[in-house]
Amino acid sequence: AQTVTQSQPEMSVQEAETVTLSCTYDTSESDYYLFWYKQPPSRQMILVIRQEAYKQQNATENRFSVNFQKAAKSFSLKISDSQLGDAAMYFCAFLYTMDSNYQLIWGAGTKLIIKP
Amino acid sequence: SQTIHQWPATLVQPVGSPLSLECTVEGTSNPNLYWYRQAAGRGLQLLFYSVGIGQISSEVPQNLSASRPQDRQFILSSKKLLLSDSGFYLCAWSLGFGSSPLHFGNGTRLTVT
Repeated sequence: AQTVTQSQPEMSVQEAETVTLSCTYDTSESDYYLFWYKQPPSRQMILVIRQEAYKQQNATENRFSVNFQKAAKSFSLKISDSQLGDAAMYFCAFLYTMDSNYQLIWGAGTKLIIKP
Repeated sequence: SQTIHQWPATLVQPVGSPLSLECTVEGTSNPNLYWYRQAAGRGLQLLFYSVGIGQISSEVPQNLSASRPQDRQFILSSKKLLLSDSGFYLCAWSLGFGSSPLHFGNGTRLTVT
């Protein structure tokens, strides 16, 4: 069975600095997708970035980038130039689909605090 | 552009009362629809998903049910609420499975008293 682990319940970073949130997963599949979602205090879940497992190149979206290590089953999120608006819960998610089998597994989340 | 509407935003219901949460999507056709529950400080738990009208897959046996009477309408229901049904419920849609990400509604905070 697939699992997703976010080992950091809470992280804090000084505004304008860089922070990395860790995520590891366990699967025997070779073709899957990985996502980072952000949930600010407003509670709306927002997609931050996604990565296809077959792509070796790490995904990047503006200040957000991932370090995808497929062999190590690691998918960390790096936030550069942290801003106050980045404060939120961050969830890592693993998606596997085959035929009608759909599995989207979520980590427990990491609370990111931005210090002004 | 696509939008998703979920209501109500908050709801307080007594134990044993019925529940109906509604979710509608605009701007797309034949989306996959999902209901998630999020316990305080926890990740998301998939409750139901639907790939088409009348097609509902249940992930967790529970006191809840889901229906999809129209292509872009997804309803979460219960005949008799339990205290353990309290939580934050999120509706989401995606275009098929695979690389399509989930797009979430604003959620409903349900408190069962």
